[in-house]
Amino acid sequence: DQQVKQNSPSLSVQEGRISILNCDYTNSMFDYFLWYKKYPAEGPTFLISISSIKDKNEDGRFTVFLNKSAKHLSLHIVPSQPGDSAVYFCAASPSAYSGAGSYQLTFGKGTKLSVIP
Amino acid sequence: DGGITQSPKYLFRKEGQNVTLSCEQNLNHDAMYWYRQDPGQGLRLIYYSQIVNDFQKGDIAEGYSVSREKKESFPLTVTSAQKNPTAFYLCASSSGRGGELFFGEGSRLTVL
Repeated sequence: DQQVKQNSPSLSVQEGRISILNCDYTNSMFDYFLWYKKYPAEGPTFLISISSIKDKNEDGRFTVFLNKSAKHLSLHIVPSQPGDSAVYFCAASPSAYSGAGSYQLTFGKGTKLSVIP
Repeated sequence: DGGITQSPKYLFRKEGQNVTLSCEQNLNHDAMYWYRQDPGQGLRLIYYSQIVNDFQKGDIAEGYSVSREKKESFPLTVTSAQKNPTAFYLCASSSGRGGELFFGEGSRLTVL
């Protein structure tokens, strides 16, 4: 059973517009969430994270929103650029600071973002 | 430069052969991980190690083995017992305190 779900396999957005990538989770023990970006044949690179004590975290063009009651998070990219075209993975962990459980990230299946020039 | 090095990048194997994928990191991270990615799938955890000489099974450990004799190294052996070994394998490491993983560039294994 998937504990982290990214229900949109793909998303196309015009350059300069906003990209919104969504992620839902089912495990109530998750309280630390991360987004990774992945180009083909390369390893994922960390983008941004958010702890459950926050509902928003911003880093430049990237903002992650967390709605704990809905078990939903989203990644906003504004403005979108062609170089943002990649697969984006949502990941979740029981805690950033607890014991063994914090080492295990559960990943969603990813959303392929295409930014059209 | 600090980072994670995986080798080889591409590997072909005949059925029934064991193969070992190398992973080395110079980030001084305590924890290391192996993930597998299949088309249209997320990353699935094979094994992880929090400290030297210790490792735990992840969600899909069957048919794989690992060792952690040095902090810098975490090789993965894909054994002949792995029924569907063709995949993209990713090694990662973390300091263990923030959850953020740093990934290598991956190794693509194809079984002929």
